[in-house]
Amino acid sequence: RKEVEQDPGPFNVPEGATVAFNCTYSNSASQSFFWYRQDCRKEPKLLMSVYSSGNEDGRFTAQLNRASQYISLLIRDSKLSDSATYLCVVRRNFNKFYFGSGTKLNVKP
Amino acid sequence: GAVVSQHPSWVICKSGTSVKIECRSLDFQATTMFWYRQFPKQSLMLMATSNEGSKATYEQGVEKDKFLINHASLTLSTLTVTSAHPEDSSFYICSVRAGGAPQNEQFFGPGTRLTVL
Repeated sequence: RKEVEQDPGPFNVPEGATVAFNCTYSNSASQSFFWYRQDCRKEPKLLMSVYSSGNEDGRFTAQLNRASQYISLLIRDSKLSDSATYLCVVRRNFNKFYFGSGTKLNVKP
Repeated sequence: GAVVSQHPSWVICKSGTSVKIECRSLDFQATTMFWYRQFPKQSLMLMATSNEGSKATYEQGVEKDKFLINHASLTLSTLTVTSAHPEDSSFYICSVRAGGAPQNEQFFGPGTRLTVL
């Protein structure tokens, strides 16, 4: 079983829509959680860390459910520039980061 | 500005040649850097952890004699793909972790796209 699993999508949504991605992780010892954004043929860039109490950054809301071992990302009022692949990342042990294969989002005009 | 740089950004080589990729930490000294590989439509896979002044730690299934890592200074790690073959064609990305606190993020280099003919 993969450490981190994501629906690959693509999610095709119109501008202004709200879209949510989920991600599950297999190891309950995972300690830190992140959402990264990766544009085509570019390196991943941190979108936001995910805290136990949930956290929000502008149009983006991340939540963590340790009991069910899943992480979610909600994007409100989607913009064309939000089109990218969103990577769910978990950290277990000091330097072990595990990446999901990503969920592709296409925001259309 | 960029925190991590990589060079070259892309390289095309013939099968059997060796390719060296450099990763530089621009904003801070990094005793540890990480090398990842990403195949199309797949997740980033950690290949090895590069430790300044000592041997790299390789993940299971990664051949240390094929992927040579040298971390000679606090700002530079190099990955050499020796005797490259077409199956080594991939996107190689290095990263540096900022600090040691649990939520400290990893900063990724822009990646090196390797194509082996």
